[in-house]
Amino acid sequence: QVQLVESGGGLVKPGGSLRLSCAASGFTFSDYYMYWIRQAPGKGLEWVSYTSTSGSTIHYADSVTGRFTISRDNAKNSLYLQMNSLRADDTAVYYCARESVIRGLISAFDIWGQGTMVTVSS
Amino acid sequence: QSALTQPPSASGSPGQSVTISCTGTSSDIGSYNYVSWYQQHPGKAPKLMISEVSKRPSGVPDRFSGSKSGNTASLTVSGLQAEDEADYYCSSYAGSNSVLFGGGTKLTVL
Repeated sequence: QVQLVESGGGLVKPGGSLRLSCAASGFTFSDYYMYWIRQAPGKGLEWVSYTSTSGSTIHYADSVTGRFTISRDNAKNSLYLQMNSLRADDTAVYYCARESVIRGLISAFDIWGQGTMVTVSS
Repeated sequence: QSALTQPPSASGSPGQSVTISCTGTSSDIGSYNYVSWYQQHPGKAPKLMISEVSKRPSGVPDRFSGSKSGNTASLTVSGLQAEDEADYYCSSYAGSNSVLFGGGTKLTVL
């Protein structure tokens, strides 16, 4: 079935790095824009980044620009988020999510992973 | 850019209707018909309920409907059921290749 499975979360010290992965299955991964969205404990959702179908167009929220890097490998049906210079306020569940329209961009997310927890603490 | 504004809570009895608002600005909700709504049960991933202001994805009950007027979008849940109790989030394309979410509304079915 159509699904996204994140991995790579964990506990990291402030200033450290972490790489999240998202494995897609059940659909043609290369046909969809993909997103990372996070949710701090007890808080709301926050858009982090997105990549176009080919990876040629990428955008980030101001809060992570210069520290996070999104990428994708369509041959491996995988999405990644390299997180550097991590801060306490990056602590959150990180979800990967699929754009709801094929080869389009309407900023609606129809498939979500289960999320992976990232905790930044000394 | 600030988050979209939602009431922190809403409630209704089974069978009743409840409407949740989501207020933005002329730069986001007011400029684009790319408003979505998500339902999130505790410990679960969000689920898309409405896209493009009023479109219901396959499988979403027609008790859920969306609308927009000016800078404010709304989600209406008709015929409330116990399983509708959850957190609801709105989102909107906000220009400059960015996306905004609302702070979330906790819907309680009395």
